[in-house]
Amino acid sequence: EAQVTQNPRYLITVTGKKLTVTCSQNMNHEYMSWYRQDPGLGLRQIYYSMNVEVTDKGDVPEGYKVSRKEKRNFPLILESPSPNQTSLYFCASSDGGGSYNEQFFGPGTRLTVL
Amino acid sequence: KQEVTQIPAALSVPEGENLVLNCSFTDSAIYNLQWFRQDPGKGLTSLLLIQSSQREQTSGRLNASLDKSSGRSTLYIAASQPGDSATYLCAVVRDDKIIFGKGTRLHILP
Repeated sequence: EAQVTQNPRYLITVTGKKLTVTCSQNMNHEYMSWYRQDPGLGLRQIYYSMNVEVTDKGDVPEGYKVSRKEKRNFPLILESPSPNQTSLYFCASSDGGGSYNEQFFGPGTRLTVL
Repeated sequence: KQEVTQIPAALSVPEGENLVLNCSFTDSAIYNLQWFRQDPGKGLTSLLLIQSSQREQTSGRLNASLDKSSGRSTLYIAASQPGDSATYLCAVVRDDKIIFGKGTRLHILP
């Protein structure tokens, strides 16, 4: 089944404890992206990747890191999480030329930073 | 900076009615526009994608139109059903960045 998977789905952590949220897609998509969704602010793009070893900042990259060593994986790294990073996070991927095609979303990761 | 607005923020309609959801954007130089559905606590499901060269797309009871010159898109839902209750989001793409509207929360009354 074609899908985007994220792990973990739920995470409660404390301020300053490094964490990684994994994202994997099995559709051989070139473009992958991370978003956060907050009440009243909607979905905002954190980082995106056009292909392996190519990443770029979205609208809200501060406090986040990403890497794209393999085509299928695009982990989101929070080196020193803070409470304002408590949010619902989504990973997405799409085929073909960059973001021009249909976006497929993962199920989301609900992160709470105490 | 591109801004995407969806009006209304919430909408309740009786079952069976046809309805229109609106999406407007400030910069008409977009590559495409995509409509999504999001159920509570769930991820996003793609409904329709309209490339910048297209005027509309249809899938079943859904029809999405795009007017780049006026910075508007509409999502038309025919013969609404209770299962259509969800939040509907539009997103525009330009320069490999994707900007979402805040969504319209739709409730279909049985």
